Amino acid sequence: ETGVTQTPRHLVMGMTNKKSLKCEQHLGHNAMYWYKQSAKKPLELMFVYSLEERVENNSVPSRFSPECPNSSHLFLHLHTLQPEDSALYLCASSQDLPGLVTDTQYFGPGTRLTVL
Amino acid sequence: SQKIEQNSEALNIQEGKTATLTCNYTNYSPAYLQWYRQDPGRGPVFLLLIRENEKEKRKERLKVTFDTTLKQSLFHITASQPADSATYLCALATYNTDKLIFGTGTRLQVFP
Repeated sequence: ETGVTQTPRHLVMGMTNKKSLKCEQHLGHNAMYWYKQSAKKPLELMFVYSLEERVENNSVPSRFSPECPNSSHLFLHLHTLQPEDSALYLCASSQDLPGLVTDTQYFGPGTRLTVL
Repeated sequence: SQKIEQNSEALNIQEGKTATLTCNYTNYSPAYLQWYRQDPGRGPVFLLLIRENEKEKRKERLKVTFDTTLKQSLFHITASQPADSATYLCALATYNTDKLIFGTGTRLQVFP
């Protein structure tokens, strides 16, 4: 295992539901990320947190709301999603932000989200 | 516009041959480039990193080259095995950035 865990692994929700994705890293890293992965598309960076401060919000719709209560945990709160939001949502962590050091990112297994 | 391109077509090769995957980029000045492996239903796993001033890196059966003039990185797997079958992603980072930029990935299938 990479030291990054995500729950749940699979999630099916209706458009009116509210749900949350959870990510936990056991690596002592300072930076955490949310990515969206859709078929035949590159990984899309959604949010970046460094030392619990959000440093990047990549024009993500407000129906996605991140939360980073401490350096080990990251949440993605979901509400009133659309079917096109169905994708694999990946959490990752790294020691620091990519531009500071030649750092690698450690990914969790992802949450497969289906919006009906 | 800025782009990272990987061959979207799957690469099928016979066991024992060398697999070569390509990553091309435009309108970036990367500080370094990374290669990741992703298996179905799993997150990407880091394989190799190469800096802008390096031409080649090796790790066991893996080799990465980086040509900043051609704006291209090549990823080689020698003596390929069926267990090497996966999707391989390239990603680059520029200086003072908050993020890695990923390509779409190339699926490699090694058959016996």
